Amino acid sequence: DQQVKQNSPSLSVQEGRISILNCDYTNSMFDYFLWYKKYPAEGPTFLISISSIKDKNEDGRFTVFLNKSAKHLSLHIVPSQPGDSAVYFCAAPLRNSGGGADGLTFGKGTHLIIQP
Amino acid sequence: SQTIHQWPATLVQPVGSPLSLECTVEGTSNPNLYWYRQAAGRGLQLLFYSVGIGQISSEVPQNLSASRPQDRQFILSSKKLLLSDSGFYLCAWSSYYEQYFGPGTRLTVT
Repeated sequence: DQQVKQNSPSLSVQEGRISILNCDYTNSMFDYFLWYKKYPAEGPTFLISISSIKDKNEDGRFTVFLNKSAKHLSLHIVPSQPGDSAVYFCAAPLRNSGGGADGLTFGKGTHLIIQP
Repeated sequence: SQTIHQWPATLVQPVGSPLSLECTVEGTSNPNLYWYRQAAGRGLQLLFYSVGIGQISSEVPQNLSASRPQDRQFILSSKKLLLSDSGFYLCAWSSYYEQYFGPGTRLTVT
């Protein structure tokens, strides 16, 4: 059963515009969320995270928003750049066991394509 | 700084052959270590995790196994590969909730 869902397999955005990637989750006990970026044939790279006690976290061009009542989070990239073209994964700790030692559960990813 | 290594980078193996993938971490002691698999068109699935030498937890039933013979070494094995074992295998270590991944091994079972 997929606890973290990314319903858009792909997203195409023009360079310079805002990219918005969405993620929904089913487990209301999740207390931490992460976004990863992955290029083909490489391991995922940690991008940004957010604790459930916050509703926004910003790091440079990347901002993650969390709406706990809707069990929804989104990643905003602005302005979008060609190097942002990659697959983006949303993730949450597999179990709320403290410190995330049990590993992460991932969505299926959204392929972001930045068009010139 | 911490670095994580995986080898081999790519592997083509026939059905029924054994498998051994290795992962090592540098720059940290007693890390939590993980094996994930990404099958074609799917997200990352956690296979095993380890919180210390000799301590292995399995997340999904399969014909794969894992071992942690040393503090910073994590090995993924199989005695007999299946076609369904094809995929991209990723090793990771964690710092609190954040996990940091190695470069991955592309396994093709023919």
